[in-house]
Amino acid sequence: QVQLQESGPGLLKPSETLSLTCSVSGGSIKNYYWSWIRQAPGKELEWIGYISDSGSASYNPSLKSRVTISVDTSMNQFSLKLNSVTAADTAVYYCTRDKWAKYNDGWHFYGMDVWGQGTTVTVSS
Amino acid sequence: EIVLTQSPGTLSLSPGERATLSCRASQSVSPRFLVWYQRKSGQAPRLLIYGASSRATGIPDRFSGSGSGTDFTLTISRLEPEDFAVYHCQQYGSSLFTFGQGTKLEIK
Repeated sequence: QVQLQESGPGLLKPSETLSLTCSVSGGSIKNYYWSWIRQAPGKELEWIGYISDSGSASYNPSLKSRVTISVDTSMNQFSLKLNSVTAADTAVYYCTRDKWAKYNDGWHFYGMDVWGQGTTVTVSS
Repeated sequence: EIVLTQSPGTLSLSPGERATLSCRASQSVSPRFLVWYQRKSGQAPRLLIYGASSRATGIPDRFSGSGSGTDFTLTISRLEPEDFAVYHCQQYGSSLFTFGQGTKLEIK
């Protein structure tokens, strides 16, 4: 059974860079897309971005200027970097496995079927 | 950006009753990109429905999804005690995922 585990610092100061890693166990990182999702206190779930196993990434336009997602297939993990954090970046951060399939009529999304437990990141001076 | 609005915000029902949850999109969403999740307190979301109407692996058949265009529905035919949770819809469009704010299903 595939499991995801987020890791990284839980406390940052404003202007620092948030760096999180998601380790994939029980299965391969290949042939899937992988997302980062966050939920700030009292706010909705927010998609940050995703990356394919080949390293093709897509980001939420609202965060695009500050976000980089990368993948390391040899380590079976992927990572998130978010620059210049502020208090608004305080949230629980989740990593997910995304299932896609391509058919004659185009791509189909099969959902984010595996989620990490989430890690709390607080930005405070 | 496609905004998803879920209603009602809170739904109070008893075990054994039928629950109908709505997800309305600000623009048309392809059913192949509409997903529902269940979320219990302190836990990560759990995939329920993908493609607007297909149940994910291991999801009981009391859960069903339907809809097209801008209106989608999650129905739980007979509520079990473990079904009381928050439900979120999610869509993918214009290279962006967005989520609904959630419907809280609580025990009456």
